[in-house]
Amino acid sequence: QQQVKQSPQSLIVQKGGISIINCAYENTAFDYFPWYQQFPGKGPALLIAIRPDVSEKKEGRFTISFNKSAKQFSLHIMDSQPGDSATYFCAASKGGATNKLIFGTGTLLAVQP
Amino acid sequence: NAGVTQTPKFRILKIGQSMTLQCTQDMNHNYMYWYRQDPGMGLKLIYYSVGAGITDKGEVPNGYNVSRSTTEDFPLRLELAAPSQTSVYFCASSFTGVNTEAFFGQGTRLTVV
Repeated sequence: QQQVKQSPQSLIVQKGGISIINCAYENTAFDYFPWYQQFPGKGPALLIAIRPDVSEKKEGRFTISFNKSAKQFSLHIMDSQPGDSATYFCAASKGGATNKLIFGTGTLLAVQP
Repeated sequence: NAGVTQTPKFRILKIGQSMTLQCTQDMNHNYMYWYRQDPGMGLKLIYYSVGAGITDKGEVPNGYNVSRSTTEDFPLRLELAAPSQTSVYFCASSFTGVNTEAFFGQGTRLTVV
């Protein structure tokens, strides 16, 4: 119930294309779904996050789509650029001091020029 | 603008040795976390703290200990290092808990031989 399943494990996209990464969760109590971006040798950094009261959130070229009934959410990167090449982690949590942020296993994205 | 600072960046330990991974943050965050990152496994929570003097176990606490004597510092202690503790360790902090942005340090790459 605490798992967040992420796919694909790796992804190669041509410059200008759309990158799509998917995540699925089981715990319906989760109420916060962030995406983190990690460049080699660096710590993860928050990219974009969504709460279940909306079905989509867009920030620049990055969009989260959220399907509450299917318990799935996805990250779309429009007009992918070589600088987007990184590892992306989805995560989920529910509020409360003793609750934890559960991470997916990560997707290594390579955007080819 | 230091954010979350981890030391050391790299370390090689022999089996059975002990060491402390240091983590300090200058954002006055109440919540601090230790994660380990293994290839294809995402980030797993080792320990976390909701404030000075308060710590609790995460998903994978065995073989580790923490303390939180000040708001700024959250060291992670490895006793009797084992090869299974070879990993990249990340410290993170957030202001109000799991449902807000977590800021990560740059990581410590630990190898136990």
